[in-house]
Amino acid sequence: QVQLVQSGSELKKPGASVKVSCKASGYTFTTHSMTWVRQAPGQGLEWMGWINTNTGNPTYAQGFTGRFVFSLDTSVSTAYLQISSLKTEDTAVYFCARRYGGNSGPFDHWGQGALVTVSS
Amino acid sequence: QSVLTQPPSASGTPGQRVTISCSASSSNIGGNTVSWYQQLPGTAPKLLIYSNNQRPSGVPDRFSGSRSGTSASLAISGLQSEDEADYYCAAWDDSLNGVIFGGGTKLTVL
Repeated sequence: QVQLVQSGSELKKPGASVKVSCKASGYTFTTHSMTWVRQAPGQGLEWMGWINTNTGNPTYAQGFTGRFVFSLDTSVSTAYLQISSLKTEDTAVYFCARRYGGNSGPFDHWGQGALVTVSS
Repeated sequence: QSVLTQPPSASGTPGQRVTISCSASSSNIGGNTVSWYQQLPGTAPKLLIYSNNQRPSGVPDRFSGSRSGTSASLAISGLQSEDEADYYCAAWDDSLNGVIFGGGTKLTVL
């Protein structure tokens, strides 16, 4: 069965960097794009963008350019989200999710989420 | 502020039918399909409806979706206590060139 397993919670200081992983199993990794979604404490879901797992080409949503980087290691079926120059407002749960189909395709499987806390 | 507008809350008693609306513009729902996600407290979202009205395998037929013009709706019939969760609609937006989520609706089962 399809599974997305994310790395654990992180506590970081402002200005530091963090790298969240999302390991996929149960399907051919390169056949579906991987999406990243942010959920700030008590808030709704926010689409960050996705990465084409076949070509490695990332697409970033408005507001997630510059400090946010999507990457892959296809040899271990893993997608990564790296955030640099962390700010307190980056405190959130970050979810990876598999996109099924094209632009309108749903996110049919989700990781369990990774809590990133940014605090001095 | 979300481009897709959902009521912040909804409620119903066990056995009732409730609907949650999601309204927007022609650049998103009007021209693209809508998905719905259920997020139980403290868990990851789960796909509930895709392509406006399709249910993934395993999703009970108590859940149904529809779209009309620039609005979409999620209906839950035979409401159960375990349906208490946050519900989000989502769609591709041609103007923003990205996916947008509604602000979410917190469903309370009284």
